[in-house]
Amino acid sequence: EAGVVQSPRYKIIEKKQPVAFWCNPISGHNTLYWYRQNLGQGPELLIRYENEEAVDDSQLPKDRFSAERLKGVDSTLKIQPAELGDSAVYLCASSFGLTREQYFGPGTRLTVT
Amino acid sequence: AQTVTQSQPEMSVQEAETVTLSCTYDTSENNYYLFWYKQPPSRQMILVIRQEAYKQQNATENRFSVNFQKAAKSFSLKISDSQLGDTAMYFCAYSGGGADGLTFGKGTHLIIQP
Repeated sequence: EAGVVQSPRYKIIEKKQPVAFWCNPISGHNTLYWYRQNLGQGPELLIRYENEEAVDDSQLPKDRFSAERLKGVDSTLKIQPAELGDSAVYLCASSFGLTREQYFGPGTRLTVT
Repeated sequence: AQTVTQSQPEMSVQEAETVTLSCTYDTSENNYYLFWYKQPPSRQMILVIRQEAYKQQNATENRFSVNFQKAAKSFSLKISDSQLGDTAMYFCAYSGGGADGLTFGKGTHLIIQP
C-alpha cells in the first residue's frame, strides 16, 4: 500500500513570493490533515478535511494561507505571499474512519529568504 | 484546550539498555487517544504505539510499551533492548473525540550510543 505522498520535498523562495504544496493521501482515507512543524517543535494542525469539506481551519492564517481538497482526494496548501516566519516543514497526514491513527507523509521543508 | 508536555528535551542511553520517555497531558475529556510517534532525520513521522483512554491495559508493541496513568494524566513510553535505529525524535500526541487533529508535545531527542 502506497503511503502519503507529498511534493516537493524542499522549496526555497524569496519572501513575498507564492508557494504551493501538494499532498496525495493513502487511498480510501477520507480525512486529511495539514500540519506545520517549526524547528525544534512538534507539528501544529493547520487544517483538517473530511472528504471535500474543511471541518477545522481555526489555526489556518487565512490572510495568506489557503487550502483546497478537490474531489475529496488530493489537497493543495498555498501561501501567498510568503513571509520569513513561514519557514518550516509542512506535513500532510491522512486517516480513515475513527481509528484516530494518522499516517504522515515525508513533509515539505520550506525556506523563505 | 488540550496540552501535551514532554519534559526531557534529550536523552542518551547505551545500546541494549532500557529507556523511558515521559509525557504528561491536560484534558477535561474522558474519552481520548494517546500516541507516541517517532521522527527520524528523514522527517517521516512513524506511529510507534497508541493507547485508548477507556482501556486500562497498557499497550505494547514488541520492544515498545507504555505506562498509562489516567488519573495522573501521564503517558510514558518504555523502549526495551534499545537499538541504534531507535535514535530519533519521539513525540507524544493527544487526540480527542472524533477524527480530531493531533496535539503534540515538543518532543524528546533520543540518542542510542553504540
